[in-house]
Amino acid sequence: TAGITQAPTSQILAAGRSMTLRCTQDMRHNAMYWYRQDLGLGLRLIHYSNTAGTTGKGEVPDGYSVSRANTDDFPLTLASAVPSQTSVYFCASSDSETGDSSYNEQFFGPGTRLTVL
Amino acid sequence: GQNIDQPTEMTATEGAIVQINCTYQTSGFNGLFWYQQHAGEAPTFLSYNVLDGLEEKGRFSSFLSRSKGYSYLLLKELQMKDSASYLCAVSDSNYQLIWGAGTKLIIKP
Repeated sequence: TAGITQAPTSQILAAGRSMTLRCTQDMRHNAMYWYRQDLGLGLRLIHYSNTAGTTGKGEVPDGYSVSRANTDDFPLTLASAVPSQTSVYFCASSDSETGDSSYNEQFFGPGTRLTVL
Repeated sequence: GQNIDQPTEMTATEGAIVQINCTYQTSGFNGLFWYQQHAGEAPTFLSYNVLDGLEEKGRFSSFLSRSKGYSYLLLKELQMKDSASYLCAVSDSNYQLIWGAGTKLIIKP
């Protein structure tokens, strides 16, 4: 079982360009999340989706957009990249929806290392 | 505001015991998670506490005191492979995880 896959593994992007980070899970989890991880900071939630067809904003949503057309895929798009978006991006999923269960263990993909120059 | 505090870095000796503390202030509480993250890799789940007390799982144990907003992760019989960052995360009133910055644990022979 693959679990969660992310693509690309790493990318160098020119400022002002757009990019989509891909995330696919095969565990049929309802909820999916996008985080960024920066040195010295905890994981910060960018956007989330409790179920296919719905999305929500996390702590740091500006400059990012997401869609959830089906259960398996949750792409993250940077419309016009800026250097402050240089980070490691993790996609995660869990088998629970908000209000459904207090136990929402999240499973993480391998991450995408993005550098914006 | 919401805040999770844990030490930035700790050093311990192979074979010894280490305790990593985590204190939190969040809007609501629906459980506390500990994750392990090796350098360059994704976080992986270690433990979950929602009630006060100690949860033991092999060499790892996790403790929670909700009244004190405090948890610790106890690692026994340390091995070199335990060198990693340990992340504390609290599920808040919206069931979203609020993450600490992580504690980098260095194991010396």
